[in-house]
Formats: sequence, C-alpha cells, structure tokens
Amino acid sequence: AQSVTQLDSQVPVFEEAPVELRCNYSSSVSVYLFWYVQYPNQGLQLLLKYLSGSTLVKGINGFEAEFNKSQTSFHLRKPSVHISDTAEYFCAVSDVAAGNKLTFGGGTRVLVKP
Amino acid sequence: EAGVAQSPRYKIIEKRQSVAFWCNPISGHATLYWYQQILGQGPKLLIQFQNNGVVDDSQLPKDRFSAERLKGVDSTLKIQPAKLEDSAVYLCASSPVGGDTDTQYFGPGTRLTVL
Repeated sequence: AQSVTQLDSQVPVFEEAPVELRCNYSSSVSVYLFWYVQYPNQGLQLLLKYLSGSTLVKGINGFEAEFNKSQTSFHLRKPSVHISDTAEYFCAVSDVAAGNKLTFGGGTRVLVKP
Repeated sequence: EAGVAQSPRYKIIEKRQSVAFWCNPISGHATLYWYQQILGQGPKLLIQFQNNGVVDDSQLPKDRFSAERLKGVDSTLKIQPAKLEDSAVYLCASSPVGGDTDTQYFGPGTRLTVL
C-alpha cells in the first residue's frame, strides 16, 4: 500500500515570491509521481509528472518538481508566484504495476497575497 | 477535444434519499475512475473501470454505492440510501489505453450535500 503526506496544509505567500510545497510518499513498489492543481469549483488539472529519467521535472505555469528517491520526496517549486496561482495542490502516486491507481495526499492550499 | 463531462454539478438531498451522478469521459478513453473528495481531503478512488469491466472497487462501500459503465462509455454512480458522511465532491476521471496512459483527466465534479 502507498501513502502520501503533504507536510503543509496551507501556505501563504506574497506575489512574486518563491514557493515550495512539500510531498513525501511511502511505497514498497515502483511508483509514478504527480502534482495536480485544483482551482475553486473545478476538477483537478495535471501540473507535472515523474515517470523515469531526469529527477527534475518541469511542468506547466512555471512549476517544477524534483524527485528524490533516497528521501522519498517530490517537492514542488515555483520561483515567482502570481495571484492566479491561488489554488489547492495535490501530490499523488500511482503503482506502476496496479493499473495506475492514484493515491493522493491531503492537499496544500496556496494563498497568494498582493 | 472536449473534456470529461459530469452532471449535475450540485445536488442537495435529505439523508436516506437516493442520488445518481453521470460522467461522460473523453472520447476514446477506455479507463474511467470515480473518486470521492471530502472537504479538506485529497480524492479517494472509489472504482475504476476498463471499458465496461471493473478493475478495482475495493474502496467502494458496496452496501450503498453502485456504479456501472454500460457500453464502455458513459458511467453512473449511485448512492442508495445516502448518509450525512456522503457529503463530498464526486470526481470522474478518464485515461486513454495507448499513449499517455499514466495521466488521468478530471471532470469538474459533482458537489453532493446530504442534509
């Protein structure tokens, strides 16, 4: 079984400041890793994913994440946030061998202040 | 390309009533998922279909929840009878068989309030 822990439930940040959202996972098997964003009253949208290869993954809207196997982490970063980045962010893992079933973390709410 | 469609967007019912949600996946996507997202939590998988067959329903409360995907396209999720703790957003997602199989595309969700 897998589990995902997002260490911060809420992150306030000023506009144009950098932000980092932390994600740790546990799994006994090989996994894929994902970050999704959820804007108010909308479904989830994929930001980026790690399947294999380079541990630094770049996604949409200027986000990137780094896979660290030894620390079982997949932290999300953006060097300069905009007001429009206010949303909830979910880290998720899927078991490569089990039909891509996603296990989500509890989410981190990012509030960008002007 | 049209996204995943869900209806209704909002539903309010009394406890012990029945309710049904509908999902139309992206055209050509063989895999369909239903998730339950309780306020303040991440989505939890309820059931996964591959075409019209069930792949995983281990977390579906089968005493009150049922789902079907006739003809391998649209799907309905039903709750009968509803409990207060079923208040949540129900998300449908789909993914293709070939190509980008690891990515799930989500609909806007149905927000259920049970009074």
